[in-house]
Amino acid sequence: EAGVTQFPSHSVIEKGQTVTLRCDPISGHDNLYWYRRVMGKEIKFLLHFVKESKQDESGMPNNRFLAERTGGTYSTLKVQPAELEDSGVYFCASSQGVYYGYTFGSGTRLTVV
Amino acid sequence: QKEVEQNSGPLSVPEGAIASLNCTYSDRGSQSFFWYRQYSGKSPELIMFIYSNGDKEDGRFTAQLNKASQYVSLLIRDSQPSDSATYLCAVIEGAQKLVFGQGTRLTINP
Repeated sequence: EAGVTQFPSHSVIEKGQTVTLRCDPISGHDNLYWYRRVMGKEIKFLLHFVKESKQDESGMPNNRFLAERTGGTYSTLKVQPAELEDSGVYFCASSQGVYYGYTFGSGTRLTVV
Repeated sequence: QKEVEQNSGPLSVPEGAIASLNCTYSDRGSQSFFWYRQYSGKSPELIMFIYSNGDKEDGRFTAQLNKASQYVSLLIRDSQPSDSATYLCAVIEGAQKLVFGQGTRLTINP
């Protein structure tokens, strides 16, 4: 089975620009999650989709971040406008339910300069 | 928010020995705990899930949970160089959210 796919794998943008990250979950996984790891810190939850609905977006830092999940399939995470503190690795994960364990994508390393 | 604490390491263990990784958590009501392994530059992968007090064994890995003392540990027997990675402890918060510790970097020395 194909895993969770994220792209781009790396992105370097200037402060104030817009970046869109994409995640393709494992087929059939209704649950999709976004997490972020800022350098030197732990991996932190951003939000959780069940199919196309946002179940929990309590971890979204501010309104510069917008996540969508079209038709319950792939998801995008847009940062607009990007700030320096947004730099980090953004992980997407999908699962049949948390107790089944997440399958993580390989992450997108975002650098804002 | 729940807090999960891990010693960041690095923890160095000779090949063939037992590696012991520890994790403490702040919320006494936490029920379920996960250990993930992350190789450098790769994504985290699930190793173990434990929710009952005591030990859970899977091959060379044993997870130990002590809810009274609020700690969970991971033992790796017969450590191999391929076990060198960062090990992440996580606890469920709410319905589906995982709260991670910072991770412990483990190095197995041949």
